[in-house]
Amino acid sequence: GENVEQHPSTLSVQEGDSAVIKCTYSDSASNYFPWYKQELGKRPQLIIDIRSNVGEKKDQRIAVTLNKTAKHFSLHITETQPEDSAVYFCALSWDNYGQNFVFGPGTRLSVLP
Amino acid sequence: DTGVSQDPRHKITKRGQNVTFRCDPISEHNRLYWYRQTLGQGPEFLTYFQNEAQLEKSRLLSDRFSAERPKGSFSTLEIQRTEQGDSAMYLCASSFGQSQYFGAGTRLSVL
Repeated sequence: GENVEQHPSTLSVQEGDSAVIKCTYSDSASNYFPWYKQELGKRPQLIIDIRSNVGEKKDQRIAVTLNKTAKHFSLHITETQPEDSAVYFCALSWDNYGQNFVFGPGTRLSVLP
Repeated sequence: DTGVSQDPRHKITKRGQNVTFRCDPISEHNRLYWYRQTLGQGPEFLTYFQNEAQLEKSRLLSDRFSAERPKGSFSTLEIQRTEQGDSAMYLCASSFGQSQYFGAGTRLSVL
C-alpha cells in the first residue's frame, strides 16, 4: 500500500518565523493531499488541501505546494504564532470518491514566544 | 454543533468486555470513516461506509471489530472481547467529497 513519509518529526521556531513541513509519497495515482492540525486532546482539523491538478494553494498564512514529478508536497506557515503550536499531519488519497486516507506520522510544531 | 459528534468521549473497560462507540456524521455527508489513533501516530484507517454500505475494511480490523451504519446516518463500532492492545483513540470522520471532517474521538482504555 501507499506509504507517506513526513519530515521533520519535531520543529521549533521563533514566533514570527516561517515553518515548513514536507511529505513524500510513492504512488503516482495519489490525487488529493490534505493537511490536518491536531492540538492536544482535540480532533484533527482540516486546515488546507490541494488536488493534483494544482501546484500551489494559499489561505492567509498557510500555503501548500505540490510537486507531482518529485512526489512531494509541503505545508508552509508564515508569521508563526504561539497558537500554531500543534501536531500537523499530511495525508493523501488516490481516488475521486473519498475513500480512506493514508496519514503521515505527524510533525510536532512548537512556536516559541 | 453541526460537526461530527462521537459518544462516549472516554471509555474505560476491563479486558474481555465488549464496547460500542457511536458516531453521528455531518448531516449531509454520505460517507463515514472510522480510524484508530495511538499516541504519537497519525490516524490509521479502519473502515468506510458510503450511505449504509460498508465498502472497505482494513486488515487492522480483526474479527473482534464490527461496524454498522444501518440507516446511512449514524454509525456504531463494536469491539468484542477487548484486549489491552485495543487501547487507543477511535476517530470518526465524514465527507461528501474528498475532504474529511473528524469528530473529537472516543478514547478507549482497556485495563
